[in-house]
Amino acid sequence: GAGVSQSPSNKVTEKGKDVELRCDPISGHTALYWYRQRLGQGLEFLIYFQGNSAPDKSGLPSDRFSAERTGESVSTLTIQRTQQEDSAVYLCASSLGLDLETQYFGPGTRLLVL
Amino acid sequence: AQKITQTQPGMFVQEKEAVTLDCTYDTSDQSYGLFWYKQPSSGEMIFLIYQGSYDEQNATEGRYSLNFQKARKSANLVISASQLGDSAMYFCAMRPYYGGSQGNLIFGKGTKLSVKP
Repeated sequence: GAGVSQSPSNKVTEKGKDVELRCDPISGHTALYWYRQRLGQGLEFLIYFQGNSAPDKSGLPSDRFSAERTGESVSTLTIQRTQQEDSAVYLCASSLGLDLETQYFGPGTRLLVL
Repeated sequence: AQKITQTQPGMFVQEKEAVTLDCTYDTSDQSYGLFWYKQPSSGEMIFLIYQGSYDEQNATEGRYSLNFQKARKSANLVISASQLGDSAMYFCAMRPYYGGSQGNLIFGKGTKLSVKP
């Protein structure tokens, strides 16, 4: 009966390298969301999935960011050619559906780009 | 454009006292949901309470209640009988009923609550 899990919990990488962040939603949750939280800031929406479809990718900050989801399960957020400004906590959330269902968050992945 | 405003960057409260965290929102949608989340220093976002725009009663969940004033577009969180474990960042968030164009939550910048023993 686990909640949302994310891996890795921490990631340190060098500028220019690619990173892949993983999210396992709560079983049965069809909607999955990715957010970014910079130090001392609120959450910034990146992308959501309904099933394995991502209808709107306009929240992604640049074309270096991409995400995919396998069925109604795991999602990966990939950042190519990382930059220092990509350093943040990346939070994943899932909900039963897209309407007013509560979103439940994972513990996040803390990314530091040196 | 939809926006959440939390005007209190930081708040202090004495243990066992009540505290109100302010939240105002801006939206042209008729149907929406309002949420409060708690983020302790560990970083995880913990759902606290939800209020639907058409709900006539203010939401309550244990020591948390939401003071919803629709005409003023405010959704303040009231924490009664504060405990040391309530020290955390608190985020107010909003979501249009039909998910708007994205289905995502729109967050305020947060209020850091510190409970003093």
